[in-house]
Amino acid sequence: AQSVTQLGSHVSVSEGALVLLRCNYSSSVPPYLFWYVQYPNQGLQLLLKYTSAATLVKGINGFEAEFKKSETSFHLTKPSAHMSDAAEYFCAVSGVLTGGGNKLTFGTGTQLKVEL
Amino acid sequence: KAGVTQTPRYLIKTRGQQVTLSCSPISGHRSVSWYQQTPGQGLQFLFEYFSETQRNKGNFPGRFSGRQFSNSRSEMNVSTLELGDSALYLCASSNTGGEYGYTFGSGTRLTVV
Repeated sequence: AQSVTQLGSHVSVSEGALVLLRCNYSSSVPPYLFWYVQYPNQGLQLLLKYTSAATLVKGINGFEAEFKKSETSFHLTKPSAHMSDAAEYFCAVSGVLTGGGNKLTFGTGTQLKVEL
Repeated sequence: KAGVTQTPRYLIKTRGQQVTLSCSPISGHRSVSWYQQTPGQGLQFLFEYFSETQRNKGNFPGRFSGRQFSNSRSEMNVSTLELGDSALYLCASSNTGGEYGYTFGSGTRLTVV
C-alpha cells in the first residue's frame, strides 16, 4: 500500500522567508506524487505533480518540489512566503487500484501560517 | 474551460434522512472520484467511476453509494445519515486513469444534525 507522511501539522514563517513543507512517501512502485493547497471553505487546488520526468518540479505561485528517491521525499518549497500563501497543504500519492484506475492517498496536511 | 462543479455547496440534514450530492466533471473527463474530508479522519477515498462503471470503492459502509451518467456527471448518495457523516465531500475528475492527478471541485459541506 502507498502512503505519505507530512511532518509538522502546523508551520509558521515570516513573510519573505523560505517555506519548506515536508513530505515522505512509501511506495513499492515508482510513485506519482502531488501537492495540493486548500484555502478555507474551498476544494483542493493542484500546486504541482511528479510523474517520473524531471525530479525538480515547478508549480504554480512560485512553489517547487524535488523528488528524492534515496530519501523517499518530496518536500515543497517556496523561496519567499507571501501572506496569500497561508492555507493548508496536502501531499498525496497516486496508486493503481485492483479495479484499474487510481486513487489519491493524502497526508494529514500542513497548515501554513505567514506572519508579518 | 469550466472546472468541476459540485452542487449544492452547503446542506443541512437531519439524522436518518438521505442526501444526494451532484458533481459535473470537466468536459471530456471520464473519471470521477469522490472523497470525504473530516477533521478527524482527513481526506478519504470513497469511490471512483469511469464510463458509468464503479471501478473502485473505499472502506465506507454500504450507506454510501454513487453512480455516473453517460455524460460523466456523477451523484453520490448517503442513506440513513449519521452525525459522523458531517463532512466536506469533494468530487474530482480526470481525463485519464487519474495517475496524473485530479481536478477537484469546491466541495459540498454536509452538516447532519
